[in-house]
Amino acid sequence: QQPVQSPQAVILREGEDAVINCSSSKALYSVHWYRQKHGEAPVFLMILLKGGEQKGHEKISASFNEKKQQSSLYLTASQLSYSGTYFCGTERSNYGQNFVFGPGTRLSVLP
Amino acid sequence: DAGVIQSPRHEVTEMGQEVTLRCKPISGHDYLFWYRQTMMRGLELLIYFNNNVPIDDSGMPEDRFSAKMPNASFSTLKIQPSEPRDSAVYFCASSLYGTVASYEQYFGPGTRLTVT
Repeated sequence: QQPVQSPQAVILREGEDAVINCSSSKALYSVHWYRQKHGEAPVFLMILLKGGEQKGHEKISASFNEKKQQSSLYLTASQLSYSGTYFCGTERSNYGQNFVFGPGTRLSVLP
Repeated sequence: DAGVIQSPRHEVTEMGQEVTLRCKPISGHDYLFWYRQTMMRGLELLIYFNNNVPIDDSGMPEDRFSAKMPNASFSTLKIQPSEPRDSAVYFCASSLYGTVASYEQYFGPGTRLTVT
């Protein structure tokens, strides 16, 4: 039931854009996005609820297509500070059941 | 706010020994989660509590693992007896009132456990 993330890893130059995808074979209620820097704890980025909403956080935004059970995280004009591993977490109900993180996407932003 | 506090930050123990990890959630948060992170298995949800009551422990790997939350400000994760395959970083996280689906989780710094 773990969601699938793609790509597994991506390398960017500062200022370039990236898209990270998260998909599930099960109907989803919500998708969470977190970023983890090496040696640190995951940090919350945003939550998207069923309804296809899109959210933004600085130059990071995300969308949730509930029909396809997919979410995408968009990083525009990437900065060095964006480097880290991005995890999506999915929930199948609003009671937190079956909450599970994806395997992560490692993003490296080079100068 | 001090954030989620975990202790110890590092623990090295020998196989067969009992290990107790501790967590203090953010004051006012009523959900508490325990996660385990390894390179092979990623970030796994072990158990979570709502208002000190265990709600879902289906992620607990086996009977050697147990978790308690005696009050709103303290939780423990115990491994007895410990095995080398338990070596991982264990994170505690807490979340504010509301459905789990609606609120972000705040993670503690983690406890790096090494079982030799």
